[in-house]
Amino acid sequence: RKEVEQDPGPFNVPEGATVAFNCTYSNSASQSFFWYRQDCRKEPKLLMSVYSSGNEDGRFTAQLNRASQYISLLIRDSKLSDSATYLCVVDTNTGNQFYFGTGTSLTVIP
Amino acid sequence: DTAVSQTPKYLVTQMGNDKSIKCEQNLGHDTMYWYKQDSKKFLKIMFSYNNKELIINETVPNRFSPKSPDKAHLNLHINSLELGDSAVYFCATGYTNEKLFFGSGTQLSVL
Repeated sequence: RKEVEQDPGPFNVPEGATVAFNCTYSNSASQSFFWYRQDCRKEPKLLMSVYSSGNEDGRFTAQLNRASQYISLLIRDSKLSDSATYLCVVDTNTGNQFYFGTGTSLTVIP
Repeated sequence: DTAVSQTPKYLVTQMGNDKSIKCEQNLGHDTMYWYKQDSKKFLKIMFSYNNKELIINETVPNRFSPKSPDKAHLNLHINSLELGDSAVYFCATGYTNEKLFFGSGTQLSVL
């Protein structure tokens, strides 16, 4: 089993739609969770951290479910500029390392 | 000022050559990393390093070696390059177990 698993998509949604991504992780001792965004031919950039109580940043909402070992990202009112690959990132709880999911590709269509 | 800078941005070389990629950070972070992103876009950890500990992903060939002259630099040296080494290599930095900041990547093409 992979340490972090994501549905690779692609997700093609119209502008204004709501879209949700899920990510599962295997290490129950993991403590740090993040969503990153990667545009084509660019470096990954932090979108948001994921906190135990869930957190929201504008149109983006992240949630953590420790019991089921998954995190989610909800994007409301999708914009064309949201088109990117979204990467789920989880710490390994050993040795300062992080595991990345394979990424979920999102295309927002006019 | 770029927080995490890596050079070169593009590197084209022949099989069998030895090359280095440099990474520098001015964020004062205690941990630096090298990641490899292959053609399938999967980001895989190669090394993590702070002043105390180097952790090597066991699947990384020993042709790859990180070298850290000081806390702000972690360079990646690759010996005897192979076709399969072609990928994008990202340097990243962070505080222990906190979010990562990435460099802009080095696209390595081995011919």
